[in-house]
Amino acid sequence: DIVMTQSPFSLPVTPGEPASISCRSSQSLLHSNGRNYLNWFLQRPGQSPQLLIYSGSNRASGVPDRFSGSGSGTDFTLKISRVEAEDVGVYYCMQTLQLPRTFGQGTKVEIK
Amino acid sequence: EVQLVESGGGLVQPGGSLRLSCAASGFTLSDHYMDWVRQPPGKGLEWVGRSRNKVNSYITEYAASVQGRFTISRDDSKNSLYLQMNSLKTEDTAVYYCVRAAAGLDAWGQGTLVTVSS
Repeated sequence: DIVMTQSPFSLPVTPGEPASISCRSSQSLLHSNGRNYLNWFLQRPGQSPQLLIYSGSNRASGVPDRFSGSGSGTDFTLKISRVEAEDVGVYYCMQTLQLPRTFGQGTKVEIK
Repeated sequence: EVQLVESGGGLVQPGGSLRLSCAASGFTLSDHYMDWVRQPPGKGLEWVGRSRNKVNSYITEYAASVQGRFTISRDDSKNSLYLQMNSLKTEDTAVYYCVRAAAGLDAWGQGTLVTVSS
């Protein structure tokens, strides 16, 4: 199975400041078709997860442009350009290159 | 609007069975791969299994932890997805989410809680 490792585990943030989360995979997620099979999700407190980024860098429908995804192969980053109060919650990366799909352990983002 | 609504969760004893349902609206279920993902209380997300779409013969695939105990099925006439869970264990206690697998896992239900306890 592909192991997904996120860092940091916890991220205190200041509204208006940038934030960054790292995700590493134990195998390359770059397919021969040129796509990286890496997705990012946000789970707000008490809610279901929602898709933020798919294929490494594509924002899902309705996701604000302050969220961006980058990286390729085994190293990926989710960036929030200016954190807002509604961005608190747990962020997960997940690979969909092969089964079983596997998730990172999560990064809890909270306001300082 | 795409919507997924799960039902059927509850309390069940170890070794028991439960069937979860997921009612889809706003899209045609048969066109899409569909996954089940679960989340134990206070913990992270775990993929349970998936059903491919009609074009791919609705082939199902499962996580090793549930293989042989869980079965995913569909009823296109009802635009619904199901998860039959047998031989339940305490470690199966979790919120179970029905998820559409399109461009990532792009639509999630609200989840239904399954508690396996004596």
